[in-house]
Amino acid sequence: DTGVSQDPRHKITKRGQNVTFRCDPISEHNRLYWYRQTLGQGPEFLTYFQNEAQLEKSRLLSDRFSAERPKGSFSTLEIQRTEQGDSAMYLCASSMSGRSYEQYFGPGTRLTVT
Amino acid sequence: KNQVEQSPQSLIILEGKNCTLQCNYTVSPFSNLRWYKQDTGRGPVSLTIMTFSENTKSNGRYTATLDADTKQSSLHITASQLSDSASYICVVIDSYGNKLVFGAGTILRVKS
Repeated sequence: DTGVSQDPRHKITKRGQNVTFRCDPISEHNRLYWYRQTLGQGPEFLTYFQNEAQLEKSRLLSDRFSAERPKGSFSTLEIQRTEQGDSAMYLCASSMSGRSYEQYFGPGTRLTVT
Repeated sequence: KNQVEQSPQSLIILEGKNCTLQCNYTVSPFSNLRWYKQDTGRGPVSLTIMTFSENTKSNGRYTATLDADTKQSSLHITASQLSDSASYICVVIDSYGNKLVFGAGTILRVKS
């Protein structure tokens, strides 16, 4: 296992289109997190899963955003009717459950909405 | 208001020199504080992890300090190298261990 992977690495889309990103966590990790990072800022929490259950969603996650982790392994993040303000780096991280376990980040998906 | 504030926003130093990055936080209670290094276009990578009872933690040329009373942390980099050029992000984990609160980062550039 080489770590957390994300696909695609880059996505350019036109405003109003839908996009879907995929994250494959480290195989033995039961927690999976999504973050959004804009230029010059630290990542902001969006949502996280423990196994297949989505346990928390940030207020940043508008109705246009939906995340799933159907079998408790990989996860998808879909953005519907994209807006220019959605342009950002979308980071996925995974960890074991518990406060002392480190989150390992993927390389991110860079979304550009034109 | 961001619960984790970092300074300076950016820093340029010469190769071989030392530098110290600052982090002030208001997240309370918290379980641990971490410093991450993020190369351009990549995900963050953990450098150090400290619980509230630890004062200092080293990882090679990186030394982090924590003062839980004043809610301040610092990251000291000794004998800087060109490969140290990156964004350094201070992260505070809430007491439940579920959520990471990130600072905006300090962009470090090491020049030859």
